[in-house]
Amino acid sequence: QLQLQESGPGLVKPSATLSRTCTVSGGSISSSTYYWGWIRQPPGKGLEWIGSIYYSGSTYFNPSLKSRVTISVDTSKNQFSLKLTSVTAADTAVYYCAREKYNNGHRYFDFWGQGTLVTVSS
Amino acid sequence: SYELTQPPSVSVSPGQTARITCSGDALPKKYAYWYQQKSGQAPVLVIYEDSKRPSGIPERFSGSSSGTMATLTISGAQVEDEGDYYCYSTDSSGNQGVFGGGTKLTVL
Repeated sequence: QLQLQESGPGLVKPSATLSRTCTVSGGSISSSTYYWGWIRQPPGKGLEWIGSIYYSGSTYFNPSLKSRVTISVDTSKNQFSLKLTSVTAADTAVYYCAREKYNNGHRYFDFWGQGTLVTVSS
Repeated sequence: SYELTQPPSVSVSPGQTARITCSGDALPKKYAYWYQQKSGQAPVLVIYEDSKRPSGIPERFSGSSSGTMATLTISGAQVEDEGDYYCYSTDSSGNQGVFGGGTKLTVL
């Protein structure tokens, strides 16, 4: 059964870099059918797509975050990672990793991790 | 950047039909997907490719799309269906994913 396990610090200082890693178990991150993505949700607010990566390293980013986001993949560890630089309190959110199914030009998230609150505070 | 627009809230009585809309310029070309999120939980996919229902999702959930508007319909809504519902799609290039702002469904 597929599992997505997120890890990384739950508290990040302002102006620092937020880092999250998602470990995939019960399936291969190298599947040709799937991208792997990050989504966040500030407390009491809606969902925001951050970006997605294919096992080959091809990436797509939310234009509003693109200048601060890096997403990478490590197929040997079945993991993908998120880095968000120069964080502020506005980046405080629950961060989710998710599997993104790709089919003939259409993409959607069909399986989500449980999500983790990351707080930006000194 | 691309946007999807949803009503902030919808309220129905138990047993009534709830309809939640999602509008976006690329919806004639791109599928809409719908997620249900209950408090403190990760979102769950309830409709994919405009109108298909994943395994395990009750038959009262259905979806449709016409022109620039997609609609999630819950026929005979139940109290357990309360929560936030988000539509999701991509821009016409397929490169930018976007969620609608979310609709809070109240059943009481």
